[in-house]
Amino acid sequence: GQQLNQSPQSMFIQEGEDVSMNCTSSSIFNTWLWYKQDPGEGPVLLIALYKAGELTSNGRLTAQFGITRKDSFLNISASIPSDVGIYFCAGHRGAGGTSYGKLTFGQGTILTVHP
Amino acid sequence: DGGITQSPKYLFRKEGQNVTLSCEQNLNHDAMYWYRQDPGQGLRLIYYSQIVNDFQKGDIAEGYSVSREKKESFPLTVTSAQKNPTAFYLCASIEGPSSYNEQFFGPGTRLTVL
Repeated sequence: GQQLNQSPQSMFIQEGEDVSMNCTSSSIFNTWLWYKQDPGEGPVLLIALYKAGELTSNGRLTAQFGITRKDSFLNISASIPSDVGIYFCAGHRGAGGTSYGKLTFGQGTILTVHP
Repeated sequence: DGGITQSPKYLFRKEGQNVTLSCEQNLNHDAMYWYRQDPGQGLRLIYYSQIVNDFQKGDIAEGYSVSREKKESFPLTVTSAQKNPTAFYLCASIEGPSSYNEQFFGPGTRLTVL
């Protein structure tokens, strides 16, 4: 199945720096989700986006639903050591019916924060 | 507390043996999903079920089997036909068609085949 193109694959930053990552696709998606996965754990939903152009914040996290519906961005401001983990984007095409809940995932961005 | 539980956290099996991974949810969610995660890759869908006694193949169903006899349970069997079964397995659920496709994940089971 198709996967979303997520970049960068990994990031090494200093505590306090801002972080940006993005997800792109050749197809249109009607829902974009961003998850964080701590080592050895299941992903946790951070932000959900439902409308093209939508900008949503959750604390230090901000995500945007691209206007073309083919991309999404996640920004983390003033990073802290506990931000370490893998960040995944996921999209849903919104065809309805039996396709509900079927997500397409990016490969993940591994974030390392140096104190 | 409501949530998704997966057991065991770590599982070791000898090559050629079938093994069943447990996934239970008490969220009263309609749909459940199984994913496989390998290092450096995203999540790949194995099987999913949107209703009791019905399930659909995902992108990498070969070598796996599932059942959905109860709404709260969706066990995954990794059969001896799966050529490279060592991986991290994640179970997820979603409330239903009106839930905006937000999947919630369990803590995962790491399967190692020796």
